[in-house]
Amino acid sequence: QKEVEQNSGPLSVPEGAIASLNCTYSDRGSQSFFWYRQYSGKSPELIMFIYSNGDKEDGRFTAQLNKASQYVSLLIRDSQPSDSATYLCAVIRESGGYQKVTFGTGTKLQVIP
Amino acid sequence: DTGVSQDPRHKITKRGQNVTFRCDPISEHNRLYWYRQTLGQGPEFLTYFQNEAQLEKSRLLSDRFSAERPKGSFSTLEIQRTEQGDSAMYLCASSLTTQYFGPGTRLLVL
Repeated sequence: QKEVEQNSGPLSVPEGAIASLNCTYSDRGSQSFFWYRQYSGKSPELIMFIYSNGDKEDGRFTAQLNKASQYVSLLIRDSQPSDSATYLCAVIRESGGYQKVTFGTGTKLQVIP
Repeated sequence: DTGVSQDPRHKITKRGQNVTFRCDPISEHNRLYWYRQTLGQGPEFLTYFQNEAQLEKSRLLSDRFSAERPKGSFSTLEIQRTEQGDSAMYLCASSLTTQYFGPGTRLLVL
């Protein structure tokens, strides 16, 4: 079992729809969860992070965390063609001042105009 | 632009040559990470510095790889005797708590 799992996609959604990206993780001690967007040939850029169970909204993006189910998701409302990219889930466990960061393989999102 | 810079942005080398990459983190960030990313994969952890101390090194990192962070500022990643399998994007990230990535160095080993 991979430590962080994401469906590789591609996930295709029409413009204006809600895109739902999912991520599961195996380490119950994980404390913080990040979503990065990565355009082809570019480096990952931070979208948002979440630490607590529940929802966190930032503009068109909502992150959802359920630690009991070891599940984190990212919703993108009103999807735009410019949202087409690979979305990486990163899970962090920190102990003794050291951050162990594990990335999923990413989900490719295609927003169809 | 996250404030993390990497140099060079692209490197083409012949198999067997040595290469060195540089990362300049955000100045107040004490943590610095190196990752490798190949097509269709997420970033793969290589090594981690807190200030000048290298605290963690992936088991995937062979003896041909070495990294330094003198004085806790910039960092270098050296690959000796490069192999074609080393071709990848090498990413640097710095953080206090949240990681911010540099633009990456794309390495092609011929």
